Amino acid sequence: EIVLTQSPGTLSLSPGERATLSCRASQSVINNYLAWYQQKPGQAPRLLIYGASTRATGIPDRFSGSGSGTDFTLTISRLEPEDFAVYYCQQYVDSRPFGQGTKVEIK
Amino acid sequence: QVQLVQSGAEVKKPGASVKVSCKASGYTFTGYYMHWVRQAPGQGLEWMGWINPNNGGTHYAQKFQGRFTMTTDTSISTAYMDLSGLTSDDTAVFYCARGSLIGGTTLAPEYWGEGTLVTVSS
Repeated sequence: EIVLTQSPGTLSLSPGERATLSCRASQSVINNYLAWYQQKPGQAPRLLIYGASTRATGIPDRFSGSGSGTDFTLTISRLEPEDFAVYYCQQYVDSRPFGQGTKVEIK
Repeated sequence: QVQLVQSGAEVKKPGASVKVSCKASGYTFTGYYMHWVRQAPGQGLEWMGWINPNNGGTHYAQKFQGRFTMTTDTSISTAYMDLSGLTSDDTAVFYCARGSLIGGTTLAPEYWGEGTLVTVSS
């Protein structure tokens, strides 16, 4: 079964800085069906990116996804205060595993 | 607009069962898969399985086979998650999330319920 490994576990950055989050798969993600979610405390996950690089409805363009096969990246070009949260990747077909998450915290 | 509204928090004793509901509105309930996701306190997200409301077909993640059952009532556009033989390890928030169009486009879950906290304690 595919396993998704996210890195780093925690990213300490300041507002305005660029965030780069990694999601590595143990085998090729089927058809690049790779999604990224943002989750804040006490809230449900929010879909940011699907198909590895397509922004979901209403997602600001400072969020971008890239990658294919086994290596994927979520980039937040300039962190806004509301972007400090936990981010998960997921292959959303077949076994549908999530990565363990990356926490983006204020430095 | 698409909405998924879940039932309220539950407190259960070890060995008991719990049934969480997820009422859908704003779309054709039988047209999309429904997923369930678990999140233990302070932990990450775990996909549990999906159900096809059109025919009742299900697929469970290997870890959740056995004690976990998904059902739907299409007359009221509601999905249910039933977990039996509860232990303290089952204390978690459970989310429903709308999945792909049945027989059509593969979609990442964009619409999620607000989550239901199930606490297992003696």
